[in-house]
Amino acid sequence: SAVISQKPSRDICQRGTSLTIQCQVDSQVTMMFWYRQQPGQSLTLIATANQGSEATYESGFVIDKFPISRPNLTFSTLTVSNMSPEDSSIYLCSALGLAGAPPGELFFGEGSRLTVL
Amino acid sequence: GEDVEQSLFLSVREGDSSVINCTYTDSSSTYLYWYKQEPGAGLQLLTYIFSNMDMKQDQRLTVLLNKKDKHLSLRIADTQTGDSAIYFCAEIFNAGNMLTFGGGTRLMVKP
Repeated sequence: SAVISQKPSRDICQRGTSLTIQCQVDSQVTMMFWYRQQPGQSLTLIATANQGSEATYESGFVIDKFPISRPNLTFSTLTVSNMSPEDSSIYLCSALGLAGAPPGELFFGEGSRLTVL
Repeated sequence: GEDVEQSLFLSVREGDSSVINCTYTDSSSTYLYWYKQEPGAGLQLLTYIFSNMDMKQDQRLTVLLNKKDKHLSLRIADTQTGDSAIYFCAEIFNAGNMLTFGGGTRLMVKP
């Protein structure tokens, strides 16, 4: 299995500020993703973090609001820019493609809970 | 587009069996999954089934797949309080890497 570490685990932020979440995987993985989980709701895929190139964003998410980096196979960052209370959510990093794992097994970090005041 | 639906909530007594249901719309699903999310934690893969199977058993867990009706279920035998969590159904399509998650079913186990 893979261990995914995210930080910060939680933060309280002021409206208009930006926050960067870091994600570190302890093994090389093929793909990394960022999800958002709003209270009481399912996971929504924000984007696929591509190593060395621009992330691939899902409908409704744009690079200016959620810049993503993935400089290598085991690390990625997600920035939530110009935050508003609507951005209050749990942001989850996940990874796919660990050698020996079942097909489609996503490993998840514990999430970063952001509260925007 | 793809759609995966689950009931929101299930409550059972400790020792009873729990059955969590999921329906999906895309007939080209290749793998279907059950993920478990405990409070304050990320999701963890519980079990999965390949689309050419109709049943998979793993200790207390039984997964049933009805491809005709596009219905997936997870049965937990002898449910324990430690099984209290949110259970997500998910599917993946032909050669794809994107999982589509259902809304999650919150299982509450009463002692």
